[in-house]
Amino acid sequence: DGGITQSPKYLFRKEGQNVTLSCEQNLNHDAMYWYRQDPGQGLRLIYYSQIVNDFQKGDIAEGYSVSREKKESFPLTVTSAQKNPTAFYLCASSSGVANYGYTFGSGTRLTVV
Amino acid sequence: EDQVTQSPEALRLQEGESSSLNCSYTVSGLRGLFWYRQDPGKGPEFLFTLYSAGEEKEKERLKATLTKKESFLHITAPKPEDSATYLCAVQPYASGTYKYIFGTGTRLKVLA
Repeated sequence: DGGITQSPKYLFRKEGQNVTLSCEQNLNHDAMYWYRQDPGQGLRLIYYSQIVNDFQKGDIAEGYSVSREKKESFPLTVTSAQKNPTAFYLCASSSGVANYGYTFGSGTRLTVV
Repeated sequence: EDQVTQSPEALRLQEGESSSLNCSYTVSGLRGLFWYRQDPGKGPEFLFTLYSAGEEKEKERLKATLTKKESFLHITAPKPEDSATYLCAVQPYASGTYKYIFGTGTRLKVLA
């Protein structure tokens, strides 16, 4: 079955440490996205990519970095510059036909310890 | 500024008690409005896309409607398994990409 796989499901980060969240899709979708979800807030866009080797900052890109070397993969690195990284991170993808909506992964919960 | 507001924040219903969730939006040109269901600790699951005022979509006990300013998600005779957070999102024409603007969601609890 086609879908989006995020790993790990739970991740713990120490102060000053960079961590990378994995996102892989086998839907042959061109566009991929990273969102952050915090209690009481809507999903906020971190980065998005519409094509391989190209990506754009979203609304809250500071302290995060991404790469898009393959169509299937869009990893997110949470750097030590992100001061409040504890959140639920969601990866999504969409086809070139915009109105079919996003397909989301199952999420990664990141906690700073 | 493009904006999406969902109400109520939380809703408790008895099994079989029908109700509606609201999604009000302000956007400079609507490409589409989307409804998602999200269970705790999981990613949102796509429910409906609505494109123009007057459009309606149905799926089991759920029916989504759209006007020029808001969308409603009607839940008829809900069951406990309908308990979830329901998210609304809009896609403005001006975005030029597939970027969505999400509301904060309505947490629905259906009691047996």
